[in-house]
Amino acid sequence: AQKVTQAQTEISVVEKEDVTLDCVYETRDTTYYLFWYKQPPSGELVFLIRRNSFDEQNEISGRYSWNFQKSTSSFNFTITASQVVDSAVYFCALSEWKTGANNLFFGTGTRLTVIP
Amino acid sequence: DVKVTQSSRYLVKRTGEKVFLECVQDMDHENMFWYRQDPGLGLRLIYFSYDVKMKEKGDIPEGYSVSREKKERFSLILESASTNQTSMYLCASSFIDSNSNQPQHFGDGTRLSIL
Repeated sequence: AQKVTQAQTEISVVEKEDVTLDCVYETRDTTYYLFWYKQPPSGELVFLIRRNSFDEQNEISGRYSWNFQKSTSSFNFTITASQVVDSAVYFCALSEWKTGANNLFFGTGTRLTVIP
Repeated sequence: DVKVTQSSRYLVKRTGEKVFLECVQDMDHENMFWYRQDPGLGLRLIYFSYDVKMKEKGDIPEGYSVSREKKERFSLILESASTNQTSMYLCASSFIDSNSNQPQHFGDGTRLSIL
């Protein structure tokens, strides 16, 4: 069975602080994909990153970075020098490999508030 | 850019009504999905479709049905609305890639209240 755990329900940081959002997953498949989505107050989920299970390289995109560690089944997301616009709910999700429709299993989300 | 459009941002209906939520995507995606989002529960899959007239149950299909008569449109139907179906509903789409799992692209959501 698949499961995604985001233990941090809410986090508040002061602007310019760094913050890490945790994501731990469970799956029996050897081939799977992990995703992060951002949901700003407007409601739309915005795709941030996809990572497959064979690629453990960390990724950096501007102020965002992701740390994928299969040994601990974690895919953590760090925002460096946070800004007020980063305030949103962030979801981690897991998708097991199969052809056709590949469903996403979501964590319960972490609400990040960046205080000016 | 991919555009997934949900017909209403806010909707108020009464218990027992038949409710239709519409979703249209403009990128010729094969896959379409309906989720509901509730506080503390994240997003849960209701139904999905990988082709016209094809549908599959997700994790919580009870009380819902879907229709996909055209590739770009995926409708969620509440046969007889109940108060426990008050929620945010999100539609998503993705294309089928034989080599990898493609990300899903989401609409803005419909906040549905059943009175």
